[in-house]
Amino acid sequence: AQKVTQAQTEISVVEKEDVTLDCVYETRDTTYYLFWYKQPPSGELVFLIRRNSFDEQNEISGRYSWNFQKSTSSFNFTITASQVVDSAVYFCALTLSSGAGSYQLTFGKGTKLSVIP
Amino acid sequence: DTAVSQTPKYLVTQMGNDKSIKCEQNLGHDTMYWYKQDSKKFLKIMFSYNNKELIINETVPNRFSPKSPDKAHLNLHINSLELGDSAVYFCASSQSDRGREQYFGPGTRLTVT
Repeated sequence: AQKVTQAQTEISVVEKEDVTLDCVYETRDTTYYLFWYKQPPSGELVFLIRRNSFDEQNEISGRYSWNFQKSTSSFNFTITASQVVDSAVYFCALTLSSGAGSYQLTFGKGTKLSVIP
Repeated sequence: DTAVSQTPKYLVTQMGNDKSIKCEQNLGHDTMYWYKQDSKKFLKIMFSYNNKELIINETVPNRFSPKSPDKAHLNLHINSLELGDSAVYFCASSQSDRGREQYFGPGTRLTVT
C-alpha cells in the first residue's frame, strides 16, 4: 500500500520569506506519479504540479519550485518570497501507474501555511 | 465555464434521511471520482469510475453508492445518513491515462443533524 506523509501540520511565515513544504512518500511501485494541490480558505482544490517517477528534474514555476528526490522518496515544495495569497492548505498526493484503483489519489494530511503580512 | 460542478454546495439534513449530490464535468474526461474530506481536512478516496470499472474503497459503507448516467456525470447517493457522514464531499475527474492530474469540483458540505 502507498502512503504520503506531510510531517509539517502548520507553518507560519512572514511575508516575503521563503518556505519549504515537505512530502515523503512510500510505494512499492517503480512507476508512480506525485502531485501537489492547494486548498485556499475558499475550499476548492487547485492542481499545482504533477511529476512522474522517471523524471527527477526539479521544476520552477514563478515563485514555486519542486524538488523531487527518488533516493529519499521526497517531493518537496518551496515558495519563494511568500505572499499572503499563498496562505492555504497544501496537499501532496500519490497515484500508482497500474493495478486496480491506480487512478486514485492517496493524499497526505496537508500542511497549513499561514503567511503573515 | 465551470469544469467540474457539484450541487448542492451545502446540504443540511437529519439522521436517517437519504440524499444525493450531483456532479458534472465538461472536460471530456472518462474517469470520475468521489473524495471525502473530514473535519481534520484529511482527503480520502471513496470511488473511482470509468466506463470499464467501478473501484470502491473498502472502507466506504454500502450506504454510499455512485450512479453514473453518462460519462459526464457521477452522482453520489447516500442512504440512512449518520452523524459521522458530515464532511465535505469532492467530485473530481481526469483522463484515464495513467497519472493524469485530477480536477476537482468546489465541494459539497454535508451536515447531518
